[in-house]
Amino acid sequence: AQTVTQSQPEMSVQEAETVTLSCTYDTSENNYYLFWYKQPPSRQMILVIRQEAYKQQNATENRFSVNFQKAAKSFSLKISDSQLGDTAMYFCAFTLYNNNDMRFGAGTRLTVKP
Amino acid sequence: DTGVSQNPRHKITKRGQNVTFRCDPISEHNRLYWYRQTLGQGPEFLTYFQNEAQLEKSRLLSDRFSAERPKGSFSTLEIQRTEQGDSAMYLCASSLERAGYNEQFFGPGTRLTVL
Repeated sequence: AQTVTQSQPEMSVQEAETVTLSCTYDTSENNYYLFWYKQPPSRQMILVIRQEAYKQQNATENRFSVNFQKAAKSFSLKISDSQLGDTAMYFCAFTLYNNNDMRFGAGTRLTVKP
Repeated sequence: DTGVSQNPRHKITKRGQNVTFRCDPISEHNRLYWYRQTLGQGPEFLTYFQNEAQLEKSRLLSDRFSAERPKGSFSTLEIQRTEQGDSAMYLCASSLERAGYNEQFFGPGTRLTVL
């Protein structure tokens, strides 16, 4: 079975600084996707960034980038130049190729302080 | 607004009552998913539809739960004889089928409280 673990329940960062959220996962499969979702307070979940397991290059989306270590089964999210609007729950998620059962971690609550 | 919508946003009910939630996906999306999210946890997959066919159900979906998607458009999730343990946020998501990867777009959720 696939599992996703986020070991940091809460984190905080000063505005404009950089923060890294950790995620590890467990699978015996080789083809899969990893995601980071953001869930702002009382708002719906949106996709921040995704990574295909077959790609060695780390995905980037503007201020968001990942450090994907396939052998270590690690998938961390780096947020650069943090903004107040980044305050949210962040969920790491995993799904197998052509599968619809997405597995989520327990989440990390990030607070960006002014 | 052309995103995923869910109604109601909040539902308070007494133990033993039946409740029904509705999800309207993005119009061109043929896949629709239901998740449950309890406090302090990430979403847990319940079931998904491709068009009107329910193709997968999690073991979390007990006999008291039933989901439908008539005509492959909106979907309903019904919980019969609610229990306090059913209290959670119920999330709906939709996606457009593509080989390998289907980005799921989430709705705002329905928060259920069972007294």
